[in-house]
Amino acid sequence: GAVVSQHPSRVICKSGTSVKIECRSLDFQATTMFWYRQFPKQSLMLMATSNEGSKATYEQGVEKDKFLINHASLTLSTLTVTSAHPEDSSFYICSASAQPGNTIYFGEGSWLTVV
Amino acid sequence: GESVGLHLPTLSVQEGDNSIINCAYSNSASDYFIWYKQESGKGPQFIIDIRSNMDKRQGQRVTVLLNKTVKHLSLQIAATQPGDSAVYFCAENIDQAGTALIFGKGTTLSVSS
Repeated sequence: GAVVSQHPSRVICKSGTSVKIECRSLDFQATTMFWYRQFPKQSLMLMATSNEGSKATYEQGVEKDKFLINHASLTLSTLTVTSAHPEDSSFYICSASAQPGNTIYFGEGSWLTVV
Repeated sequence: GESVGLHLPTLSVQEGDNSIINCAYSNSASDYFIWYKQESGKGPQFIIDIRSNMDKRQGQRVTVLLNKTVKHLSLQIAATQPGDSAVYFCAENIDQAGTALIFGKGTTLSVSS
């Protein structure tokens, strides 16, 4: 079964609203989780590194005020897309491992459609 | 920043053929490489990995080859089946650094019966 779970798997929201996506590690604790975004027919692009108990580290070009990341516990990281626009419609995927050098697990992804 | 790339965006093979998917990476500091399979609408599925102290690793029907001299990675799939049709990505990182995997562009493998 899945060891990293994402919720929701699919969400539709209206332009201007905010939507939260959860990433949970089910069988292990993860001090670090990673968030990726994938547009159709493209690769996974790293958005940010989520660190438990501290601020996330964002990749160049990713707006931290738009993509809010909270890693409040060792098993949960959340990505909130604020003031969503249609161009934010994408497949969002998280990954986690128990510690550096351990197996990296991916969630099943969350489809966001902004209408 | 440095990124991992792939040579071919698509590969079409007949069922039963062997498939070879290639990847070129640019970060010479990377020491851990993974091949993933992604089916439409799903997250990446681990296929096989290799560390930089090896040049070949075999799994069930799959083999990964690593050439550190030219920074090249390949995935060989033996006796390709229709169920192997998917997008394949290579990914790299520095294993003990706790950094994220960086993905290549992806190769779409189409297997016809």
